[in-house]
Amino acid sequence: RKEVEQDPGPFNVPEGATVAFNCTYSNSASQSFFWYRQDCRKEPKLLMSVYSSGNEDGRFTAQLNRASQYISLLIRDSKLSDSATYLCVARRNNAGNMLTFGGGTRLMVKP
Amino acid sequence: EAQVTQNPRYLITVTGKKLTVTCSQNMNHEYMSWYRQDPGLGLRQIYYSMNVEVTDKGDVPEGYKVSRKEKRNFPLILESPSPNQTSLYFCASSLELRPSYNEQFFGPGTRLTVL
Repeated sequence: RKEVEQDPGPFNVPEGATVAFNCTYSNSASQSFFWYRQDCRKEPKLLMSVYSSGNEDGRFTAQLNRASQYISLLIRDSKLSDSATYLCVARRNNAGNMLTFGGGTRLMVKP
Repeated sequence: EAQVTQNPRYLITVTGKKLTVTCSQNMNHEYMSWYRQDPGLGLRQIYYSMNVEVTDKGDVPEGYKVSRKEKRNFPLILESPSPNQTSLYFCASSLELRPSYNEQFFGPGTRLTVL
């Protein structure tokens, strides 16, 4: 079983739709969590950190449920430019080998 | 411009021919890391370095070597490449890993094909 699991998608949604991705992690010692965005054939870039209390950044909302060991990302009012792969990332509780990436969820926003 | 650079961006080679992929960052970051990305497997860490002359294995180090002689450079060496090392490779750096997380900045990637 992968340490961080995501539905690979693709999620095909129309512009303006609200879409939610979930991610589960198996290492209960994971300390913190993030969402990275990766455009096709490009490098990953940090989208947002995920805090226990939940956090929002414009149209993006991230939630963390430690009891159930899952993380979510909600995108409201989807734009064409949101089309990308979204990577769920957990930070391990040991030195150096810090980040574990999920396989990514592909989102395609259509006009 | 603050960035992580990798060279080459694309490389096709043959089994057994030693190669080096360079990585350089101009942000004075302490932490550097190499990942490979394969379909369905996500990014997996190969090696990382907490600082100059300090390197350690990640999840998939077999068949790779690294060195960190200077803060800005972190080359990835494949002594005897094999076809299962065909992948997309990313170098990343961040200011430091402790005590709190700092964003990792990724290079543009190197697409390697081993025939």
